[in-house]
Order: sequence, then C-alpha cells, then structure tokens
Amino acid sequence: QVHLVQSGGEVKMPGSSVKVSCKASGGALGSHGLSWVRQAPGQGLEWMGGIIPSFGSPHYAQKFQGRVTISTDESRTTVYMELSRLRAEDTAVYFCARENLVATNWGGGIDVWGLGTTVTVSS
Amino acid sequence: DVQMAQSPSSLSASVGDRVTITCRASQAIGNDLGWYQQIPGKAPKRLIFGASNLETGVPSRFSGSGSGTDFTLTISSLQPEDFATYFCLQHKSYPFSFGQGTKLEI
Repeated sequence: QVHLVQSGGEVKMPGSSVKVSCKASGGALGSHGLSWVRQAPGQGLEWMGGIIPSFGSPHYAQKFQGRVTISTDESRTTVYMELSRLRAEDTAVYFCARENLVATNWGGGIDVWGLGTTVTVSS
Repeated sequence: DVQMAQSPSSLSASVGDRVTITCRASQAIGNDLGWYQQIPGKAPKRLIFGASNLETGVPSRFSGSGSGTDFTLTISSLQPEDFATYFCLQHKSYPFSFGQGTKLEI
C-alpha cells in the first residue's frame, strides 16, 4: 500500500518561493502519476498540476503556468512542487495525490492522498 | 478545459435522509469521474471511482451514477459520520478539475 509523506509546513515572505516534497513510501510510484492540489482556507480543491515520473513531462493548470514547477528525483520516489513569486492568496494546504493510471473501471484516477502541507505567505 | 459544475453548494439534512449531489461536466468525460469526501482538517478520501464503482471499504449507502456529462452521488440513508464536504473530480483530460464542493450539514 502506497503512502504519500509530505514535507512540513512553511511560512514564507511574499515574493519568495516554496518547495514542497512528497515521498512515496512502500516503493516508487511505478508507472503512476502524481498531482498537486491545493485548498485555500475555507475554499474548495484546486488542481495545480501533475507529473508521470516514468514519462517525465509535467502538466500544469493554466492559472499556475510560469509560477509552478513539478519535478521528481531520479529514484521516482519523491516528487517536488515549487511555487514562486508567492503572494498572500497562495496561503493554503497543498496536497499531493497519486494518479492511478490503471483503467478507470479498475480504480484509475486520483486515489491516494498525502496529509497536506500548510504554506502560509505573510510578511 | 473541462469545467465541473457541482450542486448544491450546501445541503441541510437529517440522519436517515436520502441526499443527492450532482456534477455536470462542460464536455463529455465518459466515466472518468471520482467522488470524494473531505472532513475538515483532513485529506479527501475517494468514495467512488469510474463514476459508479464503490471504493473498497466504503459503505454501500453511497452510490454513484452517470456518464458523459451528468453525474450523481447519492447517500441513501445519512449517518452522523457522513456530514462532511463532497467533491467530484474529472480525470478525463488535463487539467483535471474539481467541482466546487457540497457541504452537507445537519
């Protein structure tokens, strides 16, 4: 059973960057993908982007294009999300979540979630 | 991009009630849709995958239906632990997109 372990909370200054990690315990992600989803206080869920480590190229939501970078380490067990030019509105809980690439009727889609990393942007 | 319109945004109900939440996609997504439950302060938990398949361990009072553009999550008899927020998510194509959420309140 894969568990996703995220790095700890961060407090950042406006204009700076934050890099959050997500490590798959219980083995590498294999051929599955990993997405980043954020949730601002009292708000809904927002998909930021994702990567399939075995393929390499990430996909980003238009809203975050140019500010977000999703990458993986060589072992494909840790995925990183870096968000730059932070502003107060980026204060949120950032979740990583596995994108299971089996067929939809076999359980495909986002299935396993990390516990979340709180990022606070404040001067 | 696929947009997901979820309704209602909030719902007041009682234990034992039957409730229905809907999601409508802006374009056809087949059955590439999941339903998630989120308790405050916790990560979302998937209840339904492939629009109508119950995740292992999820009570049978939860059910999903639909394909194409219109989807429904039904809870047949609300239990106290079901009062939470529910989201749909389409994973047919990037960028993935969530519904706005439905807060189920007592």
